[in-house]
Amino acid sequence: AQSVAQPEDQVNVAEGNPLTVKCTYSVSGNPYLFWYVQYPNRGLQFLLKYITGDNLVKGSYGFEAEFNKSQTSFHLKKPSALVSDSALYFCAVRDRLGSYIPTFGRGTSLIVHP
Amino acid sequence: DTAVSQTPKYLVTQMGNDKSIKCEQNLGHDTMYWYKQDSKKFLKIMFSYNNKELIINETVPNRFSPKSPDKAHLNLHINSLELGDSAVYFCASSQGGVSYNEQFFGPGTRLTVL
Repeated sequence: AQSVAQPEDQVNVAEGNPLTVKCTYSVSGNPYLFWYVQYPNRGLQFLLKYITGDNLVKGSYGFEAEFNKSQTSFHLKKPSALVSDSALYFCAVRDRLGSYIPTFGRGTSLIVHP
Repeated sequence: DTAVSQTPKYLVTQMGNDKSIKCEQNLGHDTMYWYKQDSKKFLKIMFSYNNKELIINETVPNRFSPKSPDKAHLNLHINSLELGDSAVYFCASSQGGVSYNEQFFGPGTRLTVL
C-alpha cells in the first residue's frame, strides 16, 4: 500500500523569503516521488520528481525537493519565494513494486505575500 | 499545440441526464487517466487505461464509464447524473505503465449538476 501526507493545508510566506512545503510518504518498497503545482482554474503541472540517485532534485521555476529516506519525506523548497508561486501544490508517490497509478496528497495552498 | 485537451471546459446539466466529457492527448502516450477533484481540491483517481488494461477505482459508481476509441482519446461518460457528481474532472496521460513517468494533465472540465 502507498500513501502520502501533506500536513499543512496552507503555507504563508513573504515574498523573497525561503519556502518549504512538506510531504511525507509511506510505501512497501522504495518510492518514486513527484511534486505538481495547480494554478487557479488550471490543471496540474509537473514540477519535479525523485527516481534514484542524488537526494536533492531540482525542478521547474527554481523549485527543488530533498528526498530523505530515513524520515520518509520529500519536502518542496525554494530559496526565494515569488508572489507568482502562490498556488496549490500536490505531492504524489508511487511504490516501485506496486501499481503505476500514483497516490496524491490532499494538497497544500501556498500563499506568498508581497 | 495543447498536450492534453478536454471538452467542454464547463458543463451545466440537470440531475438524471447523461453526459460525456472528451479528452485527447497529442503526446503519443499510451496511458490515460481520469481524476475527480472535489470542492476541497482532493484528487481522486477514477480510471486508468492503456491499450492493455482498464483499471477502475472500485469506489467509482458504475454510472461512470470510460470509453477509448484509440490511444489518443479517453472519454468519460456519465449516466443518470447526481448532485454529488458536481466537481472538476481532469484527464491526464503518461508514457507507458511505468511508475516513474510523470503525468500530464488537461485543463479540467467543471461539471455542475442542478
